[in-house]
Amino acid sequence: DTGVSQDPRHKITKRGQNVTFRCDPISEHNRLYWYRQTLGQGPEFLTYFQNEAQLEKSRLLSDRFSAERPKGSFSTLEIQRTEQGDSAMYLCASSLVLAGVETQYFGPGTRLLVL
Amino acid sequence: AQTVTQSQPEMSVQEAETVTLSCTYDTSESDYYLFWYKQPPSRQMILVIRQEAYKQQNATENRFSVNFQKAAKSFSLKISDSQLGDAAMYFCAYRSRNNAGNMLTFGGGTRLMVKP
Repeated sequence: DTGVSQDPRHKITKRGQNVTFRCDPISEHNRLYWYRQTLGQGPEFLTYFQNEAQLEKSRLLSDRFSAERPKGSFSTLEIQRTEQGDSAMYLCASSLVLAGVETQYFGPGTRLLVL
Repeated sequence: AQTVTQSQPEMSVQEAETVTLSCTYDTSESDYYLFWYKQPPSRQMILVIRQEAYKQQNATENRFSVNFQKAAKSFSLKISDSQLGDAAMYFCAYRSRNNAGNMLTFGGGTRLMVKP
């Protein structure tokens, strides 16, 4: 078990470009979350999957953002037409519910800088 | 909507001493979970401790313990015998217990510095 992994770890892009991030959860974790963390702040929830179904999306998730988890394993987060305000750390977390108890395990994050 | 507030942006502690980080939250729910996460400079969040709101007993994990005051909506973290490796950002987080709200709601964090 190698933990939650995210790729890339860093991304620099120009305003207006599209970017895609990948998250590989801990195997057999059926829940997967995306959060965004700006410098000096706590993470903010973006969206959540149970298996391949996207069950909840935050109002923070504008229509430029889309997330998928096609086979209930890895997930991708795409940002279209990036803006400077999208610069942040994007965190992925996965979890498994055992006996009614859920713990989210976080990946190292993808740091995005939009120039 | 739930909110989590950490009123101490920075705290410092001498190595081997004890420090308490504060957290308050606002909710209309009666059943929920509270967490403390640690985010070292490498930025990967690690769970430190968890508390179920229906449990009156305060959770403990080795040198880490919480003071959970449900009526006051307060959830502080005590770190005993502080070590240099405890230096990190600490985030308090709330999660509803019902299936509709699985996401974590985080506070703004407290940066803990440990002086040798």
